[in-house]
This record gives sequence, structure tokens and C-alpha cells, in this order.
Amino acid sequence: GENVEQHPSTLSVQEGDSAVIKCTYSDSASNYFPWYKQELGKRPQLIIDIRSNVGEKKDQRIAVTLNKTAKHFSLHITETQPEDSAVYFCAASKGGGGNKLTFGTGTQLKVEL
Amino acid sequence: NAGVTQTPKFQVLKTGQSMTLQCAQDMNHNSMYWYRQDPGMGLRLIYYSASEGTTDKGEVPNGYNVSRLNKREFSLRLESAAPSQTSVYFCASSREQGEQYFGPGTRLTVT
Repeated sequence: GENVEQHPSTLSVQEGDSAVIKCTYSDSASNYFPWYKQELGKRPQLIIDIRSNVGEKKDQRIAVTLNKTAKHFSLHITETQPEDSAVYFCAASKGGGGNKLTFGTGTQLKVEL
Repeated sequence: NAGVTQTPKFQVLKTGQSMTLQCAQDMNHNSMYWYRQDPGMGLRLIYYSASEGTTDKGEVPNGYNVSRLNKREFSLRLESAAPSQTSVYFCASSREQGEQYFGPGTRLTVT
């Protein structure tokens, strides 16, 4: 089955700096790659997603890039703010029955003042 | 719209006890999922239901059963709880190929 690896497990940046989280996946049939943000004690919430027919997608300070050949995708957060502090999860899916996701193990992002 | 709701929010069980976690969604989604979240392990899929009337195993199904009661409701049952099932359980729902929306979670402790 699909395997998703995520790095780093923890990331500390200064407010205003950029943060980059990277994921690799194993199944070349995967075609949907969402990123979820989870604040402490809360549910995961989608912040951005990308499909395999697109190489890059941007939404304000957040962007995701996808390299299908290398089977990796990355989350980029610019101008980080304290409220960006959370755990971020990447995931991959190849669709089919339902949209079941295989998640990475998460990155704890801390934005320091 | 309430979105995805789960009950209970917290539960403590003794080893060997059984319980059912309830999940409901009001977004008319076809697909529903159960995940468990453990520290350092991300979210792992236990079971999913691609559409009403179907259920399939995910990555970690052992020790669990599910029922898709109708389009809105998807329950997860632990027949004989074990300490290894101590975790936070999330239910989610989605359209066929769309974003998954998560419930608030159930924090389960098995002693």
C-alpha cells in the first residue's frame, strides 16, 4: 500500500521567516495530495490541496508544490505568524472507492516571536 | 450545519469492555472514514465506507468493527477493548473525490 514520509518532525522558525515541510510518497498512482493543520486539542482541517495534474498551487501565504517524477510534494508557508504554530500533516490518495488518505507522521511547527 | 459530530468526547474503559463510537454528518457526503491518532504516528485509517451499504478495511482494522447505518451515520465498535486501543479517534466524511471533513474526536483510554 501507499507509504507517506514527512520531514522534519519538528520545525522552529522566527516570526516572518518561511517554513518548508516535505513529503514523499511511494505509490505512483496517487493523484491527490492535501495538507491538514491541527491545533492542539482540535480536529485536523484542510489548508490546501493539489491534484496530480498541477505542479504548484498557492493560497495567500501558503503554497504547495508537487514533483510527480520524484514522488514528493512540499508545503511552503511565507511570512510566518504565531498563529501558524500547529501540527501539519501531508497525505496522499489515489481515489477510487471513497477518497481514503494515507497520512504522514506530522510536523510540529513553532513560530517564535 | 453541524458538519461531522462524534459521541462521546471522552471515554474510559477497562480491558475487555466493549463500546461503540458514534459519528454523524449532515453534509450529504457519500464517503465516511474512521481514523485513530497516536503520538508520532499521524492519522491511520481503521475502516472506511465509500458509499452507503459498503465498508472496507483500512490500514489498522484489527480489533474493530464498523456499521454504516445509513448515509448520515457510521459507527465504530470495539468488541473487547485493549490498552493498545488507547487513542484519539476521528471520524471524517467527504464527497467521492473531495476534501475530508473531520469530527471533533473521541479521546479513549483503556486501562
